Amino acid sequence: AQSVTQLDSHVSVSEGTPVLLRCNYSSSYSPSLFWYVQHPNKGLQLLLKYTSAATLVKGINGFEAEFKKSETSFHLTKPSAHMSDAAEYFCVVSLYNQGGKLIFGQGTELSVKP
Amino acid sequence: DGGITQSPKYLFRKEGQNVTLSCEQNLNHDAMYWYRQDPGQGLRLIYYSQIVNDFQKGDIAEGYSVSREKKESFPLTVTSAQKNPTAFYLCASSVETAKTQYFGPGTRLLVL
Repeated sequence: AQSVTQLDSHVSVSEGTPVLLRCNYSSSYSPSLFWYVQHPNKGLQLLLKYTSAATLVKGINGFEAEFKKSETSFHLTKPSAHMSDAAEYFCVVSLYNQGGKLIFGQGTELSVKP
Repeated sequence: DGGITQSPKYLFRKEGQNVTLSCEQNLNHDAMYWYRQDPGQGLRLIYYSQIVNDFQKGDIAEGYSVSREKKESFPLTVTSAQKNPTAFYLCASSVETAKTQYFGPGTRLLVL
């Protein structure tokens, strides 16, 4: 069965320090993977997506993620956190064999301290 | 200004009442989706539509109904059969199914 596991429910960093949000997936097929960000009481905004092209994917606002098939991971990173990065982040897998159904991780809440 | 709009931003439902959440998109997308989000959880799929006049149940369709009479509109009705309707509801669309989904700003439904 396809699934997504976000390994941390909450991550806290200081402004200017690196961010690492971890995501592991399970998929029988070559997956499409996404990271979305959600600010409080807002909709989800697409940060980046992996669709079997380059394994290192660059997204908006300085975020990037690396697809590692051997580790079944798709961790999200940013070199230097900004206060505006504080939000909920969701790792998502798309099931091509089920009409593109999205499977969401439980989310990681990122806090950024001044 | 292209995008997905949802209204209202907040909605209150009385016991035994049906309420309808609006979702409109001007992106010319064929596929549209409704999700439910509960506190501290990821999103769960309620219904989706691949094309006008067609829709399928998602994982938690009980107590909900939809229609897709126009390409740009996909309203969701929360019926009185839905016993725990309090949640944040998100609408999304994509060019076609299995393509990247883009989300609206959401509607928060509260029960009086």
